[in-house]
Amino acid sequence: SQQGEEDPQALSIQEGENATMNCSYKTSINNLQWYRQNSGRGLVHLILIRSNEREKHSGRLRVTLDTSKKSSSLLITASRAADTASYFCATDAGPNFGNEKLTFGTGTRLTIIP
Amino acid sequence: DAGVIQSPRHEVTEMGQEVTLRCKPISGHDYLFWYRQTMMRGLELLIYFNNNVPIDDSGMPEDRFSAKMPNASFSTLKIQPSEPRDSAVYFCASSLSRSAYTYNEQFFGPGTRLTVL
Repeated sequence: SQQGEEDPQALSIQEGENATMNCSYKTSINNLQWYRQNSGRGLVHLILIRSNEREKHSGRLRVTLDTSKKSSSLLITASRAADTASYFCATDAGPNFGNEKLTFGTGTRLTIIP
Repeated sequence: DAGVIQSPRHEVTEMGQEVTLRCKPISGHDYLFWYRQTMMRGLELLIYFNNNVPIDDSGMPEDRFSAKMPNASFSTLKIQPSEPRDSAVYFCASSLSRSAYTYNEQFFGPGTRLTVL
């Protein structure tokens, strides 16, 4: 079964609004990553947050992590049409080095309406 | 750097035929992953390699699927014989081991869209 579950499955907002997506996971992690997938393309890494971090920013992206609730959120501010894509969270296998497998969630399909 | 390269980009074949998908990881990366993506099952990890050695193939659906990595710059995923339910987009990704200075973000190829008739 998937480690990560995104919520909502689909989200449509007007251009300029903020978009928030959530991810829940089940086991302890070393880091959590967010990826974007444009239609017909491979996934692209957006941002990584370590288990000892609570919030991280990158441009219009803000990621939070709550390890006590095993959840993370991705906020995209001032959305643009080009942000239309699917967004996935991915978790690693834990704090031990040597196992670099990532488990991807089910994804949130974000549509920005111009 | 050209990124992860996959070929072919599209493959249409008939049931029962052998299909070979190819991947060239980013130079210097020591991990290589094969994924399959469908609407019904999402993104599934099939198998991954570390330093050309298969580490975990528990995601390989059945014996019809096999993967090899003969060297650090090339991997293949083979399906023999292919079936219509194998139709999906197959992605290859590569990454570096984690260290004090690097994280295990994965770099994905553009994918191969496989259609089995």
